[in-house]
Amino acid sequence: DGGITQSPKYLFRKEGQNVTLSCEQNLNHDAMYWYRQDPGQGLRLIYYSQIVNDFQKGDIAEGYSVSREKKESFPLTVTSAQKNPTAFYLCATGQNQPQHFGDGTRLSIL
Amino acid sequence: AQSVTQPDIHITVSEGASLELRCNYSYGATPYLFWYVQSPGQGLQLLLKYFSGDTLVQGIKGFEAEFKRSQSSFNLRKPSVHWSDAAEYYCAVGFLSGSARQLTFGSGTQLTVLP
Repeated sequence: DGGITQSPKYLFRKEGQNVTLSCEQNLNHDAMYWYRQDPGQGLRLIYYSQIVNDFQKGDIAEGYSVSREKKESFPLTVTSAQKNPTAFYLCATGQNQPQHFGDGTRLSIL
Repeated sequence: AQSVTQPDIHITVSEGASLELRCNYSYGATPYLFWYVQSPGQGLQLLLKYFSGDTLVQGIKGFEAEFKRSQSSFNLRKPSVHWSDAAEYYCAVGFLSGSARQLTFGSGTQLTVLP
């Protein structure tokens, strides 16, 4: 069954800790995206990747890092430099633009 | 720069009533336009999209949207709302950034359906 899998569904971060959110897809889409969602603000683009081993910063990349070693996978690391990481994180894929979304990971601070 | 405005933060309708959610965009070129729906704690599901051609677009779950270039609008409609339609709705405009297509989202409209 084709789709996007984000894990974990819930994640907690301690002060000074890096955490990694997983995004896996079996839709064979070239492009993958990470969005952050905050209440009342819609979705904002963090990073995106059009092909393997290449990625670009979005509107709010500071404090985040990504890698794209495989077409199927686009993990997002929330570093300790991100001072306000509490949010809902959504991964998306598409052949030419983001169209399909995962079910998200909710990150909270302990 | 491109932008999307959803003027209504929250709309309440009765089950069986008609629905229209407003979306206005700002973009210098021909827009690609999208409507997504999000249930609590879930990802976004694509309802419909407009790229070109017929300005009245049919989507899933009985939704439709009409692109009006003169008004820079892409309003979402449904003739008879069901209780299961209660959710958050997002309008988005697609644009080119370098060689990559991206989306700019509106801030969403929360739909409540009364029994």
